[in-house]
Amino acid sequence: AQSVTQLGSHVSVSEGALVLLRCNYSSSVPPYLFWYVQYPNQGLQLLLKYTSAATLVKGINGFEAEFKKSETSFHLTKPSAHMSDAAEYFCAVSDGNAGNMLTFGGGTRLMVKP
Amino acid sequence: GAGVSQSPSNKVTEKGKDVELRCDPISGHTALYWYRQRLGQGLEFLIYFQGNSAPDKSGLPSDRFSAERTGESVSTLTIQRTQQEDSAVYLCASSSTGGGNQPQHFGDGTRLSIL
Repeated sequence: AQSVTQLGSHVSVSEGALVLLRCNYSSSVPPYLFWYVQYPNQGLQLLLKYTSAATLVKGINGFEAEFKKSETSFHLTKPSAHMSDAAEYFCAVSDGNAGNMLTFGGGTRLMVKP
Repeated sequence: GAGVSQSPSNKVTEKGKDVELRCDPISGHTALYWYRQRLGQGLEFLIYFQGNSAPDKSGLPSDRFSAERTGESVSTLTIQRTQQEDSAVYLCASSSTGGGNQPQHFGDGTRLSIL
């Protein structure tokens, strides 16, 4: 069984500050890991994915995430927050078995202060 | 190209009524998924289709929930005798093959409110 934990249901940063959203996972097999962003009243948009290639993954909108097997973590970062980054962020894991069902964390709402 | 399309975008209905939610996946995507997102929570998996078959129905919360897919395209999620706890956003996603390294592409969801 897989699980995903996102520490901090709400994170607030100032515009221009570092964004760090935490994700820890458990999986019995090498996982595939994803970060999605959800803007109000919209579906989920893929930010980036880890699929066993480079451990540092670059995504859209200046976001990146680093897979650390020893820490079972896949934290999302962005060097400088923009107001437009305010949204809800979800970390998800798949074990790659048939169907690729995603298990999601509870989400982190990012607020950006001017 | 067009993304995943869901209809209706909003549905308000009375407790006890049946509802049908529709999903049009990205053309050519063989895998299709339904998830439920309750207010302030993450997504929970409901059901997965590969082609028109549903090998994994483990997430359906009760026998009031059913889903089908036809023509390896459109899918409908049906909820019978709706209850207030069914109120949620229902999200559909598709992926090209269902393989583990393939990202899922999501629609904007159907917001279901049960009065």
